[in-house]
Amino acid sequence: DAGITQSPRHKVTETGTPVTLRCHQTENHRYMYWYRQDPGHGLRLIHYSYGVKDTDKGEVSDGYSVSRSKTEDFLLTLESATSSQTSVYFCAIRAGTGDGANYGYTFGSGTRLTVV
Amino acid sequence: KQEVTQIPAALSVPEGENLVLNCSFTDSAIYNLQWFRQDPGKGLTSLLLIQSSQREQTSGRLNASLDKSSGRSTLYIAASQPGDSATYLCAVRSGGSYIPTFGRGTSLIVHP
Repeated sequence: DAGITQSPRHKVTETGTPVTLRCHQTENHRYMYWYRQDPGHGLRLIHYSYGVKDTDKGEVSDGYSVSRSKTEDFLLTLESATSSQTSVYFCAIRAGTGDGANYGYTFGSGTRLTVV
Repeated sequence: KQEVTQIPAALSVPEGENLVLNCSFTDSAIYNLQWFRQDPGKGLTSLLLIQSSQREQTSGRLNASLDKSSGRSTLYIAASQPGDSATYLCAVRSGGSYIPTFGRGTSLIVHP
């Protein structure tokens, strides 16, 4: 199984402060993703990466930035946290073996972020 | 644009029942479809992945089927147990995309 670790697991921060969440994988998977999950909205893609320094926006990217300077780490930054960014954040990787159709998605345990 | 729908949104059944969860998608040009389980406050755990060339996959009491032509997948859970209580999500990877499309999930409660 692909190892994927998110940190921190929980965080409380004040409105207006910058916050960085980290996603770390132990294998050299090319694709990494950041999602947020909220009641009534399901999973929504924030940003994704298809390689070192290669990133693109998802459907809810406003107020978020990402960086990927190493294959194993994908960072999500809230530039200036707002209460609407209170959510559970999940990192995912695309992983598999053999044929591309056998590649699925593996999720981290999530970061519960509260902005007060 | 691919759209994925899961009906029902919630389901409550007595222990021991065999049950079927549904996942529908609008564009049949898919690479694969993946079923996940999510326990409250936890991450998503992959249950089964069906490639577009496959009709079904089985793991223990779980069986997932795929009918691309009708845009439908079902997750069959045999002899349900209270421990099966969770939210079940399906995700579709469409051809030409590395972004999966998720359904909103079916929240399952199996009561003793």
